[in-house]
Amino acid sequence: GAGVSQSPSNKVTEKGKDVELRCDPISGHTALYWYRQSLGQGLEFLIYFQGNSAPDKSGLPSDRFSAERTGGSVSTLTIQRTQQEDSAVYLCASSFGQGPYEQYFGPGTRLTVT
Amino acid sequence: EDQVTQSPEALRLQEGESSSLNCSYTVSGLRGLFWYRQDPGKGPEFLFTLYSAGEEKEKERLKATLTKKESFLHITAPKPEDSATYLCAVQGYTGNQFYFGTGTSLTVIP
Repeated sequence: GAGVSQSPSNKVTEKGKDVELRCDPISGHTALYWYRQSLGQGLEFLIYFQGNSAPDKSGLPSDRFSAERTGGSVSTLTIQRTQQEDSAVYLCASSFGQGPYEQYFGPGTRLTVT
Repeated sequence: EDQVTQSPEALRLQEGESSSLNCSYTVSGLRGLFWYRQDPGKGPEFLFTLYSAGEEKEKERLKATLTKKESFLHITAPKPEDSATYLCAVQGYTGNQFYFGTGTSLTVIP
């Protein structure tokens, strides 16, 4: 079946603009994660959705970052008033559930803020 | 706080030269330890999950082992196509997060 998809694959934006990044998880996966990966850094957890539960937003670096998940499927990560330090690869992953299940990652969105 | 440290940061091997990658972790109760492979420009690809000390899993030239403080990814007779960054992650019983290490960049020279 289809894997996790993300769009766009690349996004170049000017400082101060808002951006939206999209993630389509694997069908049937109830858990969805967003991560940020900067050069030379590990994956930084941003937010976690599980079914209809309230999301775990503990990793969001500032209130400029927000995410939603509609209908338990597609998720959108929004970054408002982008800054140069937001430049990174944003990865989405989905998994079967809340347990210690392996995550399946999308190809990522490379965000460049100029 | 849960933490993962991987070593070495980079490793160059001749084709056929076996070696091991290390993942040291601290976690408040281990739910699972995960190994991923990441190729340039792509998302991480799942390799293994280990749940308890003493557990081992194998896949082709890769074998993952787990103790109470660290995990090893053993690569036997590597080939150039094994070149990638290998990531280790843990999930504990507190919270929903997976904690990732910064990875080991493996280059296998023909």
